[in-house]
Amino acid sequence: DADVTQTPRNRITKTGKRIMLECSQTKGHDRMYWYRQDPGLGLRLIYYSFDVKDINKGEISDGYSVSRQAQAKFSLSLESAIPNQTALYFCATSGVLSGETQYFGPGTRLLVL
Amino acid sequence: QKEVEQNSGPLSVPEGAIASLNCTYSDRVSQSFFWYRQYSGKSPELIMSIYSNGDKEDGRFTAQLNKASQYVSLLIRDSQPSDSATYLCAVNNIPQPIISSNYKLTFGKGTLLTVNP
Repeated sequence: DADVTQTPRNRITKTGKRIMLECSQTKGHDRMYWYRQDPGLGLRLIYYSFDVKDINKGEISDGYSVSRQAQAKFSLSLESAIPNQTALYFCATSGVLSGETQYFGPGTRLLVL
Repeated sequence: QKEVEQNSGPLSVPEGAIASLNCTYSDRVSQSFFWYRQYSGKSPELIMSIYSNGDKEDGRFTAQLNKASQYVSLLIRDSQPSDSATYLCAVNNIPQPIISSNYKLTFGKGTLLTVNP
């Protein structure tokens, strides 16, 4: 089984809808991250969490919110989806023993119409 | 704004050749450096990490770090068509003031490598 899982893997939604992307990990890591990837723009950090009580904005947090329900679960919400949020979304984790090495989930491909 | 710069490519090399991928970074106090490989539509996977100046070899891959020049590179020897992918350079961000070891990574935009049979 994969150490970092993301659901759904693909999602099509309409402008204005609220959607949630979920991430779960079995690596025992305390740190979790959400990135989006767009062609030509690379990976950009949306939010990150260093433990259940610690949530931090990344470089592009506007229009997004997150919830760290447990050490192993970190969800990303788009409150009111817009077309320019169409992207590939990745969850990643890291832990004390892994140093700064981040391990990525398989990604969620989101299309906002 | 801490930056990590990579040549976007595409870098095209023949099978069996050495592919050389380069990365520069702006934050002089960065201490940890990573190379990830990403196949189209897939997630990034770690290839190498390097923390000290010099070379680090792992199979066909060699990472080279020069902190004075703020430069890190990845060499792929005996390149194979299966090496065709985008290679991402990542550098840690040390928070100031330093109050914990909870660092973030900044990623470059990646270099697309194509290995031609």
